[in-house]
Amino acid sequence: DAGITQSPRYKITETGRQVTLMCHQTWSHSYMFWYRQDLGHGLRLIYYSAAADITDKGEVPDGYVVSRSKTENFPLTLESATRSQTSVYFCASSLGRGRFYEQYFGPGTRLTVT
Amino acid sequence: AQKITQTQPGMFVQEKEAVTLDCTYDTSDQSYGLFWYKQPSSGEMIFLIYQGSYDEQNATEGRYSLNFQKARKSANLVISASQLGDSAMYFCAMREGPGTASKLTFGTGTRLQVTL
Repeated sequence: DAGITQSPRYKITETGRQVTLMCHQTWSHSYMFWYRQDLGHGLRLIYYSAAADITDKGEVPDGYVVSRSKTENFPLTLESATRSQTSVYFCASSLGRGRFYEQYFGPGTRLTVT
Repeated sequence: AQKITQTQPGMFVQEKEAVTLDCTYDTSDQSYGLFWYKQPSSGEMIFLIYQGSYDEQNATEGRYSLNFQKARKSANLVISASQLGDSAMYFCAMREGPGTASKLTFGTGTRLQVTL
């Protein structure tokens, strides 16, 4: 049971470059989310998706693009990376129903923009 | 206004003692859910406990319990009999509304250090 995976786990890129962070889940969960974690801010929602081809902005969407052509994949693209996007990025998924609406998190991707 | 406030950046507790991590929230929704997650130094986010706004009893999961005071809008996490492995960051989070778009808003976290 692979669960939810993220790749790469670590990435160093230069300012202005495009970079894509991958997220894959094996549970067929409807909902998927991207968060960034920064000191002093906790986790903040970037984008989320309720199903394939349905995406919506979260709290901090500027500078990011998402797509979801398949239920199991939810890539996050930084079109032109900036130093302020240096962060740890977490992908999460949720069944979207039931009592908890619990979210299951991937292991995170540590991104450094130089 | 912050939707989730965790006022304790860091806490120390001795092994085998109980500790309370504070969380207050702000919402105008009648239906909402409150979560606690643990993030050890390895970085993964681990779900600990959940409390629904309509739950009359405080949630418990093993050594974790949630002290839910709806009128005060607080949802404090209580860890009983602390263990060295409890040393980690702890995040309180809230899901607002009854809808299925289960977006979470997180607090800034509390770093707990368990000492001998």
